[in-house]
Amino acid sequence: DIVMTQSPDSLALSLGERATINCKSSQSVLYSSNNRNYLAWYQQTPGQPPKLLIYWASARESGVPDRFSGSGSGTDFTLTISNLQPEDVAVYYCQQYYSSPYTFGQGTKLEIK
Amino acid sequence: QVQLHQSGPGLVKPSQSLSLTCAISGDSVSSTTAAWNWIRQSPSRGLEWLGRTYYGSKWYSDYAVSVRSRIAIYADTSKNQFSLHLHSLTPEDTALYYCSRDRGRYLDIWGQGTMVTVSS
Repeated sequence: DIVMTQSPDSLALSLGERATINCKSSQSVLYSSNNRNYLAWYQQTPGQPPKLLIYWASARESGVPDRFSGSGSGTDFTLTISNLQPEDVAVYYCQQYYSSPYTFGQGTKLEIK
Repeated sequence: QVQLHQSGPGLVKPSQSLSLTCAISGDSVSSTTAAWNWIRQSPSRGLEWLGRTYYGSKWYSDYAVSVRSRIAIYADTSKNQFSLHLHSLTPEDTALYYCSRDRGRYLDIWGQGTMVTVSS
């Protein structure tokens, strides 16, 4: 199985600041034949299912604010949230869908100071 | 607007079986551009993908090795829904279970979740 490791486990920032969440996979999730990274990011708020934010490592899902951006390739990925808003308080997960089983990171909890 | 609505029991006894159903609106379980997944979430195991089923000239299923010996995911085209069947439950199967759609294997639509407790 591909192991997904996120860092940090939690972070607390002020409104308006930028959050950076990292995700590292135990093997590359870049499919060479189509040059796509099989990596998604999700946001989960209390009592809600995860919500898709980013897929193919950097494609923003429809309706997701452009404050959210994804980057990286191969084994190292980053979710960046600029201009933090109160509604961004959540747990964020990365997931690889390169190979079955499709595994998730352990989550990063984002709080507002 | 695609929606998934889950139903099923919240309490199951150890060694018994779990059956959960996910009703689809706004899409078709027979779509050749979507797959239908089950995921669970617990404090000890985090988010765990369990398996999926999809149609592509015939029905296919793909399961996580961790549950492969006791899981089945079926589609019911007459009701436009799919279901999870998990056998020989133990307390370690206690979790919040979600159904979800993928189009390209990223999970874009999720059900509301069903908390399942395995206890006598």
